[in-house]
Amino acid sequence: ELKVEQNPLFLSMQEGKNYTIYCNYSTTSDRLYWYRQDPGKSLESLFVLLSNGAVKQEGRLMASLDTKARLSTLHITAAVHDLSATYFCAVDPDPFQGAQKLVFGQGTRLTINP
Amino acid sequence: DAEITQSPRHKITETGRQVTLACHQTWNHNNMFWYRQDLGHGLRLIHYSYGVQDTNKGEVSDGYSVSRSNTEDLPLTLESAASSQTSVYFCASSEGLSGAGTDTQYFGPGTRLTVL
Repeated sequence: ELKVEQNPLFLSMQEGKNYTIYCNYSTTSDRLYWYRQDPGKSLESLFVLLSNGAVKQEGRLMASLDTKARLSTLHITAAVHDLSATYFCAVDPDPFQGAQKLVFGQGTRLTINP
Repeated sequence: DAEITQSPRHKITETGRQVTLACHQTWNHNNMFWYRQDLGHGLRLIHYSYGVQDTNKGEVSDGYSVSRSNTEDLPLTLESAASSQTSVYFCASSEGLSGAGTDTQYFGPGTRLTVL
């Protein structure tokens, strides 16, 4: 059974600082997704990582995937208040079938203080 | 603009009642999914469908059912609501390119269900 673990679960940081959220998963997969959720809102897709070594960047967010280590990271550069949200990673346990039966991590609640 | 909608957005019901949550998408996506979100668990997959007349059980399907009679809709039914089913429910859809499994899932706004 695939397990997906994020850490930290809660993160409070100051504007302008850099930090990384980690997503570890327990079985082989090369399909990993990152989502953002604002309080009381739906999930918004951030990145889709499709192979070992994949790196995607959008603004102050950069995501990477290491399938050998079963690890993805979401790096935040020079954080701004608008990035305060909960971030989820999700892994497809059976990517070769294209099933998209995603298994989500618990989420990381990020608070960025002025 | 294409979108995915859910109704109702909030629902309070009593234990033992049957409840149906609606999900409607206008993207003409093949794949549709239902998740529940609970504190400390992230999102968990309840049921999913790859097309009309196709439905499959997910990780937490007990007490839930779905049917897919057209491309646009995947209603979720709680046959006999229980307090443990109090949660926020999200519907999602994706294009479902054959065998690709790489396309993004787009999520609806969610339905907050309380079972008393």
